[in-house]
Amino acid sequence: QQQVKQSPQSLIVQKGGISIINCAYENTAFDYFPWYQQFPGKGPALLIAIRPDVSEKKEGRFTISFNKSAKQFSLHIMDSQPGDSATYFCAATIGGGSARQLTFGSGTQLTVLP
Amino acid sequence: NAGVTQTPKFRVLKTGQSMTLLCAQDMNHEYMYWYRQDPGMGLRLIHYSVGEGTTAKGEVPDGYNVSRLKKQNFLLGLESAAPSQTSVYFCASRPPGPSGNQPQHFGDGTRLSIL
Repeated sequence: QQQVKQSPQSLIVQKGGISIINCAYENTAFDYFPWYQQFPGKGPALLIAIRPDVSEKKEGRFTISFNKSAKQFSLHIMDSQPGDSATYFCAATIGGGSARQLTFGSGTQLTVLP
Repeated sequence: NAGVTQTPKFRVLKTGQSMTLLCAQDMNHEYMYWYRQDPGMGLRLIHYSVGEGTTAKGEVPDGYNVSRLKKQNFLLGLESAAPSQTSVYFCASRPPGPSGNQPQHFGDGTRLSIL
């Protein structure tokens, strides 16, 4: 059972467009929500993250919007570029101390057309 | 600074064979993790370690064993490989910290096929 549900599975966007990836969770014990970016043949790397007491976080062209009451969060990529083509994973963190773990969504393969 | 290094990068096994995947990190991180990545399922935690000599089960531990004899190394073993274990395996590490939100640093994966 996927604890973090991610959609869409794949996304094609024209260069300069906005890419939007959505995630939803059920477990209110999750308390930190990172997004990881993965290029083909590479491991995931942290892109941006947000705490649930913040509704929005922006870093350059990447923005996370967080809706605590709806238990949903999304990644917006403004002015999408071909170099943004990658697989994006939302994640949620749970647990304390050394037991703290990440639970990943199923991933979204983004293709930005030139 | 190599970060997290996984060996081998590719491997094909026959059902019933055994093998060990090696993960090495040079960042002096306390915590290390093994994940498997399957299409449509994201990354799922197999086992993890919070320090030398310690290991714990993750979400999908069955069929795997791990060992952390040295701080920098985390080994994942398959004693009797099954086709269901065909996957891409990722190792990750992170340092401890007050918030526990330090990012995990991933290796580039081991693609394993079980025939």
